[in-house]
Amino acid sequence: EAGVTQFPSHSVIEKGQTVTLRCDPISGHDNLYWYRRVMGKEIKFLLHFVKESKQDESGMPNNRFLAERTGGTYSTLKVQPAELEDSGVYFCASSPPPRSYNEQFFGPGTRLTVL
Amino acid sequence: DQQVKQNSPSLSVQEGRISILNCDYTNSMFDYFLWYKKYPAEGPTFLISISSIKDKNEDGRFTVFLNKSAKHLSLHIVPSQPGDSAVYFCAASVTGYALNFGKGTSLLVTP
Repeated sequence: EAGVTQFPSHSVIEKGQTVTLRCDPISGHDNLYWYRRVMGKEIKFLLHFVKESKQDESGMPNNRFLAERTGGTYSTLKVQPAELEDSGVYFCASSPPPRSYNEQFFGPGTRLTVL
Repeated sequence: DQQVKQNSPSLSVQEGRISILNCDYTNSMFDYFLWYKKYPAEGPTFLISISSIKDKNEDGRFTVFLNKSAKHLSLHIVPSQPGDSAVYFCAASVTGYALNFGKGTSLLVTP
């Protein structure tokens, strides 16, 4: 069974540019999460989808971040315009239904560098 | 307002000995606790978990202990192997909600 995949693996952009990260969850996993790890800090929650609906976006840092999950399959996270402090590793995780399923399966992450 | 803390950034253990990784949490609402293992350039991999209704869960060489009164959990690896060298993250959640992670402990198992 294929795991969670993320694209790209690395992205280097300049401040003010736009970047879109993609996550493909494990097939059949209704729950999809985005997390971010800034260097030296803990992995922090950004938001949670159940199918195509946003269940919790309390961790989104500001309105420069936009997440979508069209059709309840893959998800994208767009940062526009990117700032220096957005640099970090963005992880996507998924889990099967129901929402109460606790273990989450992580992708390899996208390392974003904003110059 | 970090709710999950791993106070040891690193730990070095000899092969064959026991590795003990510790984790403290502050939110008494957390009812599920997990340990993840992470190699460089990879995502965290689920290792073992425990529900708040238990105080111990064992899976092969890995055992997690939960002390709810102290808001403390620990991961024991016995015996430790060089392949166990990785960063270990403690995570806690309220069931159905996001995981709250610690900063991780880097474990080095030396031959």
